[in-house]
Amino acid sequence: KQEVTQIPAALSVPEGENLVLNCSFTDSAIYNLQWFRQDPGKGLTSLLLIQSSQREQTSGRLNASLDKSSGRSTLYIAASQPGDSATYLCAVRSRAGGTSYGKLTFGQGTILTVHP
Amino acid sequence: KAGVTQTPRYLIKTRGQQVTLSCSPISGHRSVSWYQQTPGQGLQFLFEYFSETQRNKGNFPGRFSGRQFSNSRSEMNVSTLELGDSALYLCASSLAKGRGSFFGQGTRLTVV
Repeated sequence: KQEVTQIPAALSVPEGENLVLNCSFTDSAIYNLQWFRQDPGKGLTSLLLIQSSQREQTSGRLNASLDKSSGRSTLYIAASQPGDSATYLCAVRSRAGGTSYGKLTFGQGTILTVHP
Repeated sequence: KAGVTQTPRYLIKTRGQQVTLSCSPISGHRSVSWYQQTPGQGLQFLFEYFSETQRNKGNFPGRFSGRQFSNSRSEMNVSTLELGDSALYLCASSLAKGRGSFFGQGTRLTVV
């Protein structure tokens, strides 16, 4: 059974800091890993998708890495801004048999607060 | 290109009633999955539909069911509502295996 853990559970930083969010998973049989952002009461916004064969992906100030063999991923946010305040969720899509696309297993999330 | 659309956004129901939630995936996406989000349990997988067939199911009681139509739109039904069913229900669509999932804004269900 896939289990996903995110550390830390909460993080409060001043504006401008670079920060790292961590995600670990127990089963390396995955299609991909996806990082999401969730604002209070809203849906999930996809930030980055890393395929199982990839090592990292970048989008603007965000960089995500994947080490499938050790079951770890990190999300690096450069020069944080107050608008980055949200909950960040890591999800892995486990490999599945047949025609299933596989389900996403989520971590509990990291609540990020960036203060001016 | 329109994103994933979920209706309604908010619902208040009484214990014992049933409810139906709707999800329209991104055009061209044939896989639709449903998730339940609660403060205590986080995000949990309910079920996955592809080509009108349920392909995968999470660990939820039979009161939770769903279906998918030929246009890939999906509905989720919860019968005999319990207070613990209060949650944000999220729908996600995906283009293919190995591709990313895209989520709707969710339906906030409150059971009183």
